Amino acid sequence: DAGITQSPRYKITETGRQVTLMCHQTWSHSYMFWYRQDLGHGLRLIYYSAAADITDKGEVPDGYVVSRSKTENFPLTLESATRSQTSVYFCASRLLAGGTSTDTQYFGPGTRLTVL
Amino acid sequence: GNSVTQMEGPVTLSEEAFLTINCTYTATGYPSLFWYVQYPGEGLQLLLKATKADDKGSNKGFEATYRKETTSFHLEKGSVQVSDSAVYFCALSEGGANNLFFGTGTRLTVIP
Repeated sequence: DAGITQSPRYKITETGRQVTLMCHQTWSHSYMFWYRQDLGHGLRLIYYSAAADITDKGEVPDGYVVSRSKTENFPLTLESATRSQTSVYFCASRLLAGGTSTDTQYFGPGTRLTVL
Repeated sequence: GNSVTQMEGPVTLSEEAFLTINCTYTATGYPSLFWYVQYPGEGLQLLLKATKADDKGSNKGFEATYRKETTSFHLEKGSVQVSDSAVYFCALSEGGANNLFFGTGTRLTVIP
């Protein structure tokens, strides 16, 4: 009954370091998403994935890399962290594409990342 | 393009007061509309949704009606409780689109 989990929940790193945020879902949802939450901006989409090995850019993809080798996992990597990437990161999943019965997204608890 | 404009916060109300949080949207087609709630230290949870014009979503005493003519989806609750203190996000998703478009969020604080 875990649903969607994220790790770590809190991370402090330094400028220039590589950081990977993990996301795992137990529902076998096709779609997974990464958002960042910043004051005054709400949530903005970084990347999404329609299925294993299929990923696509969202609104703010620069500086981030994603992969999806398995349906249940969708890690987000900051290859060289910058202070502007200090944010709260949310992973989400959705059962299928299209159709009003399947367009609800379910969110993980978030990872608070601080880049010094 | 798609966008959501949400009432600026923060909003502070006394317990049992009436709540309205305004939300208007811009969309190219016929979106589904959502209200998500974020309690302190937690992720977003779906509060309610509506998928077509004149639909009313409701949950936990909250309601919102999809108004196509005014492109609005205002959130209301007749009597708020301290436990309703949270940040509320309005969002839209167009059919077949791959992400949600969020408003900036409205922080609600309910005082006893």
